[in-house]
Formats: sequence, C-alpha cells, structure tokens
Amino acid sequence: AQSVTQPDIHITVSEGASLELRCNYSYGATPYLFWYVQSPGQGLQLLLKYFSGDTLVQGIKGFEAEFKRSQSSFNLRKPSVHWSDAAEYFCAVAPPVVSDAGNNRKLIWGLGTSLAVNP
Amino acid sequence: EPEVTQTPSHQVTQMGQEVILRCVPISNHLYFYWYRQILGQKVEFLVSFYNNEISEKSEIFDDQFSVERPDGSNFTLKIRSTKLEDSAMYFCASKSAGQIEAFFGQGTRLTVV
Repeated sequence: AQSVTQPDIHITVSEGASLELRCNYSYGATPYLFWYVQSPGQGLQLLLKYFSGDTLVQGIKGFEAEFKRSQSSFNLRKPSVHWSDAAEYFCAVAPPVVSDAGNNRKLIWGLGTSLAVNP
Repeated sequence: EPEVTQTPSHQVTQMGQEVILRCVPISNHLYFYWYRQILGQKVEFLVSFYNNEISEKSEIFDDQFSVERPDGSNFTLKIRSTKLEDSAMYFCASKSAGQIEAFFGQGTRLTVV
C-alpha cells in the first residue's frame, strides 16, 4: 500500500541549531515528493519538491531536502533554525504517472511533524 | 501572488445540518481538490475535480458529500447532513495543467456539535 511515514511527531530545537525532519515513503515507483509547511492559522505552503534530477533540492525559507532512493527517504533539513520556523511540517507524495483522470495527482500525506523552536 | 482562498475560516454547525464550504481557486487552474484533516490524523484526500466533473474520489467521499463549480470561479464542498465525525480542517487546492504541485488554501475548520 502507498504510504508516507514521518517518524517524529514532535521535535523541539533551539534557535540557531540545525534541523532534520524525516520522511519515508512506500510506493511502487519513485513518486513525486513534496514538503509542505503549515504555520498556525495559515494554509499549507509548499516548501520544496522533487521530481527528478539532482537529489538535493532547495526550497524556500532556507530549507533543503535530499532524496535517497535506496532508503525511500526525502528528509528535510535546515542548517540554522529561526523562531519563525515553528510550524507543522508535512511530507507528501504524488504518483509519478498520470492517472486515468488526466493529470490528476492526488497527494498522499504523512502524519506531520510539529516543530517547536526554543529561544 | 495568486492564492487559493477559503471561506469561512471556521464554521460551527449542529449535527444533521447541511454545510457548504467555499473555495476560490487560482484563476487559471483547471484541477481542484478537497482534502481534510481530522485533528491528530493525516491529511486525507477527498475528491478531485476536472473538466466540470469528479475525476477521483476517496472512500470517505460518500453520498453525503458533493462538489460543485457553480460559476466558474468558486469550488464548493457540500456536506448534506453533518455528523460529529465530520469535524475536521478542510483544505481546498488547485493546480494548472502544466504543474505537478497543487496550491492550498488556508483551510476551513468545521466543528460539528
């Protein structure tokens, strides 16, 4: 079955510390991979995505993620966390081929990781 | 920057009542989605909509749910007779034909009492 696992439900880091949020997926083929962030009271904002090519992708707000096919992982990283990074982070995957519905790419989501940042 | 907007941000309704959640997708987008997130659970796909019809729906999307694009700009989700377990955050999303990623609204928190 297709699934996305985010093993860490809650993480607390100090401001300025590095961050890594884990994401593993189970899929028949390499899917398209996404990280979204949800700040309190806000919608889901796309941080970055991987479709193909360079396995290290850069996103907004200083985030990056590395796709590792051998580990079926797409971990999110940031070298120095800011207090404003406190939010909920979601990993999601979409099928690599279009469905019969014509380019319909529904997302399958992880449970999310809640990030708290200590001053 | 264009964005997906959802109204209302929070709705409280009594069990058994009908609710309509509204979304205005980004104007040139062609694919529309509804997802929901029950508190403490994963975001779940409900339905996708393309070319004025449902292209895919999940098991959650039963006869109590319907979607409509009534006027070419709004995209609505109707729940005919709400149940307590329909309490969740509902997200609307849209994307264009040339994109893989979808853009999400800020969500509507539905509370059924």
